[in-house]
Amino acid sequence: NAGVTQTPKFQVLKTGQSMTLQCAQDMNHNSMYWYRQDPGMGLRLIYYSASEGTTDKGEVPNGYNVSRLNKREFSLRLESAAPSQTSVYFCASSPATDTQYFGPGTRLTVL
Amino acid sequence: TQLLEQSPQFLSIQEGENLTVYCNSSSVFSSLQWYRQEPGEGPVLLVTVVTGGEVKKLKRLTFQFGDARKDSSLHITAAQPGDTGLYLCAGARGSNYKLTFGKGTLLTVNP
Repeated sequence: NAGVTQTPKFQVLKTGQSMTLQCAQDMNHNSMYWYRQDPGMGLRLIYYSASEGTTDKGEVPNGYNVSRLNKREFSLRLESAAPSQTSVYFCASSPATDTQYFGPGTRLTVL
Repeated sequence: TQLLEQSPQFLSIQEGENLTVYCNSSSVFSSLQWYRQEPGEGPVLLVTVVTGGEVKKLKRLTFQFGDARKDSSLHITAAQPGDTGLYLCAGARGSNYKLTFGKGTLLTVNP
């Protein structure tokens, strides 16, 4: 039981490049989330998926897209990366309760 | 708008001291959670409080939810270096399982 896994762990992009961050959970949770964490800003919700087949915007969705591929997987895509998107990205899942389980994070640098 | 205010933002103490971290809001939450995050890892849930006035103890950690469900505190007795980390409070409102996070308190316990 791996919990929530994220790939890659580290990534460096040039401005304008695109990439997809992958997230998978093996706990059969309905809800999944993408956050970004910046110094002094706490965790901010980018997008979430309350259940398979649905996605909704969070607090800071601009510049991102998501796909809930199936119940296990929730990916985050940056179509044209910008330096302002340099951050640590966390995926989380929840079993239809308030408790969220987080992955280890992806550290992204955009030059 | 920052719905959850945490204080202090930084705290550096000596091993054996006691400390209290606060999480305050003008909004009512259906539940409030405390997470601890260690460097390079994702947040890990410590406790969830759901009832106004509720007190929960986890070894040397005591969590309290305010009577009006707008604030919470975390008290650590006889802090140890292993308690070092970023402490985050998060509030849930309603049944959509979205959490609002505070910016966190970075605790350093020196041996």
